[in-house]
Amino acid sequence: EAGVTQSPTHLIKTRGQQATLRCSPISGHTSVYWYQQALGLGLQFLLWYDEGEERNRGNFPPRFSGRQFPNYSSELNVNALELEDSALYLCASRVGGLAKIGEQYFGPGTRLTVT
Amino acid sequence: GDSVTQMEGPVTLSEEAFLTINCTYTATGYPSLFWYVQYPGEGLQLLLKATKADDKGSNKGFEATYRKETTSFHLEKGSVQVSDSAVYFCALTARGGADGLTFGKGTHLIIQP
Repeated sequence: EAGVTQSPTHLIKTRGQQATLRCSPISGHTSVYWYQQALGLGLQFLLWYDEGEERNRGNFPPRFSGRQFPNYSSELNVNALELEDSALYLCASRVGGLAKIGEQYFGPGTRLTVT
Repeated sequence: GDSVTQMEGPVTLSEEAFLTINCTYTATGYPSLFWYVQYPGEGLQLLLKATKADDKGSNKGFEATYRKETTSFHLEKGSVQVSDSAVYFCALTARGGADGLTFGKGTHLIIQP
């Protein structure tokens, strides 16, 4: 069974540009999470999508946004890129809805570098 | 809010040594607890989990017990190998996963032959 996939592997952008990152969840998983892993800041929750809707977001500005498609894949958009947005962006999926156990399965990540 | 505290390291051990990585948490309600491992250049892999008090999660020789009274979930392994070198993250989820996973800062483990 295929795991969570993300593309691209690496992305280099200039400050002020927009970045688009993509994620395909494990088959049968309808919940997708996005996390930012920045140097010195650890792993931080960004966004949660479930059944095509944004359900919750972490403490990030509105220029971080995204969507979930009917096939449950997801896209993260970062507008007006700043140098501190340079990080590894991880996508995770799990079975849908509110879940007591709720283990998440992670993709390999997209390394975003802003110059 | 919820939080997870773990030793950051690096922790350096010799092969076949006993490993303990401490993890304590603060959360409302009854969270589920996890250990994830990140090998160099890779994403996170779920190592083990526990969903209620006194549950023991185990996988690949690693174990952790959910201790509600001490709000802890320490990771242990009886005999480590060089291949166990990685960064280990303790994490919790509460509120049915609405807030995602809350992670500790990660513990960098280095095993020397």
